[in-house]
Amino acid sequence: DAGVIQSPRHEVTEMGQEVTLRCKPISGHNSLFWYRQTMMRGLELLIYFNNNVPIDDSGMPEDRFSAKMPNASFSTLKIQPSEPRDSAVYFCASSSGLRAYRNTGELFFGEGSRLTVL
Amino acid sequence: GENVEQHPSTLSVQEGDSAVIKCTYSDSASNYFPWYKQELGKRPQLIIDIRSNVGEKKDQRIAVTLNKTAKHFSLHITETQPEDSAVYFCAATPDYKLSFGAGTTVTVRA
Repeated sequence: DAGVIQSPRHEVTEMGQEVTLRCKPISGHNSLFWYRQTMMRGLELLIYFNNNVPIDDSGMPEDRFSAKMPNASFSTLKIQPSEPRDSAVYFCASSSGLRAYRNTGELFFGEGSRLTVL
Repeated sequence: GENVEQHPSTLSVQEGDSAVIKCTYSDSASNYFPWYKQELGKRPQLIIDIRSNVGEKKDQRIAVTLNKTAKHFSLHITETQPEDSAVYFCAATPDYKLSFGAGTTVTVRA
């Protein structure tokens, strides 16, 4: 398996623009996570999907952020409108959980999408 | 929720020496404690993990210890090599929500 695949790897945009980040989890994994990494706040969980259903979105900063998982092999994280403080590396990660809400295995991270909002 | 504190924030060691990173957690229900290594510009990757029913686990030069009573766990790297230079994150969770420590930047001096 190619691992978790994210795109784009780098995105530079201007404040106010819409940003869409994409993720393809490892085949067979039923848990998908979006994390944000910054120097100030470290690794923060934004949202968790289990079997394509959003289980916990308490980490989503505000209404400008939204995430979807239309099927088991694809997820998006959208920021609209983007702001300079959204600049960060956004990681998608997946794992195989035997039961919903239970972390039973290794979390595999994608390479990340580095977002810069000017 | 879970709160994980990690120390030190930076660690410089001579090649061949040992490195120790310590983490404390707050939620007594946490039962899974992974450690991730992140090289510069790369993704975090799992290097070792431990569950609450085990006190110690070893994998070649890496070992992790867990003290559930005191709610702390540690990463030990022996015979450090230049390729061990990276940022190391500890994490803890009682379910699916991993709470990460702030990270320790380890530099191995040749």
